[in-house]
Order: sequence, then structure tokens, then C-alpha cells
Amino acid sequence: QVQLQESGPGLVEASQTLSLTCTVSGGSISSGSYYWNWIRQPAGSGLEWIGRISASGSTNYNASLKSRVTISVDTSKNQFSLKLSFVNAADTAVYYCARWPTMRGAFDIWGQGTMVTVSS
Amino acid sequence: QSALTQPPSASGSPGQSVTISCTGTSSDVGGYNYVSWYQQHPGKAPKLMIYEVSERPSGVPDRFSGSKSGNTASLTVSGLQAEDEADYYCTSYAGSSNFVVFGGGTKLTVL
Repeated sequence: QVQLQESGPGLVEASQTLSLTCTVSGGSISSGSYYWNWIRQPAGSGLEWIGRISASGSTNYNASLKSRVTISVDTSKNQFSLKLSFVNAADTAVYYCARWPTMRGAFDIWGQGTMVTVSS
Repeated sequence: QSALTQPPSASGSPGQSVTISCTGTSSDVGGYNYVSWYQQHPGKAPKLMIYEVSERPSGVPDRFSGSKSGNTASLTVSGLQAEDEADYYCTSYAGSSNFVVFGGGTKLTVL
């Protein structure tokens, strides 16, 4: 059974770069037709899609974050990563990684989420 | 402001049915059959409940059903149970550039 686990610093200083990694276990990140995604949720608010990457490295980003976001994949480690630059208080949120099978059209597996706080 | 519009709250008594709407546009909900619904309990990750408008993943009770008409999708929870109390989010595929859009979420209360 495939599982996802986010990891990274829980506290990032304002104007710095937020870096998170999602480790895929129970299956290969390269097998099947999937997009690997980052999604975030500020406290008490809804979900926001940040971006996605395929195992081949093809990416798409939320237009509102595109200038600050980079998502990469390391198939040898079965991981994909998020970098969000020039963070501010509005980037404080729970960050989730999630899998999107192209044949299902939904986020079918989610990580447990990791809280990131931007400090001033 | 979320791209898809959901009512902020919904409620029903145990055993009753409740329907949550999710309104988008012809560029998302109305244009594709990739509408999905997620259940989120406090402090937990979202859980997929419905995909491709009306399909249920294995393990999701058949009390949960989905439908779509035009630019509006709906999630119906029948035979409400206490454990159904949660936040529910809809999502729609929105094309290769925008990819997905989320609804703002609906807090379902079981009275």
C-alpha cells in the first residue's frame, strides 16, 4: 500500500525559502501514470493546490505562486520536493503531498501533512 | 476566494440525508467529469470519498453519492451518522494549465 510522508523544517524565517520533501513508500514513484502534488491549507481555511510533477519531471504550478515555486523529483530516492521562496506570513499552513492518478482524476492518497510556520 | 463555490455549512439529523453543492464554470465542473469530493476531520488529512463525479473508492460507504448537472456538482450523504461530521471539499480538473480548483469547503454538522 502506497504511503506518502512529508518532512522538513516546521519554522522558516520570512523572506527565506521553505523546503519540504515527500517520501513515497510501498511503491515506486516511477511506476504507473501519476502526478505528484503539493497542496496547502492555512489554519481554519480551505485547500490550495500549489503544483505537481510527473516522474519524468514535467511540472505545472498554481499561477498565483508560480514565480516562487519549484517542484522537483528524485526517482532514485522515491521522493519529490517543494521549494517556496521569499516566504511571508501568508505562507504559514499545513502542507500536504498527494498523488493524482491520471486514470482516476482525483487525489487518491495523501500524506499526513506537515505544519510550516513563517516567523518574522 | 475559492474557484468553486460551496455553502459554508450544512446540517442534518442522524438518519437523514444532506446534499452539498459545488458550483463552478464550464471551464472546470461543467467541462470535465473529473469532480472529486474529500472528507476532512479536524487535524487529519483529507480523504477521497468520490471521484469522477460519482465513483466511490473501495471502502467508502455507499451512503455517499455524487452527481453533476451542468456547472454544479453535488455530494449526498444518506443515513447520516455521527462520524460523517466533518469538512467536505470539492475539486474539479480545470485543464492542463490550471490543473485543479478547490471549493472553499462545507462544514457538515450532524445534529
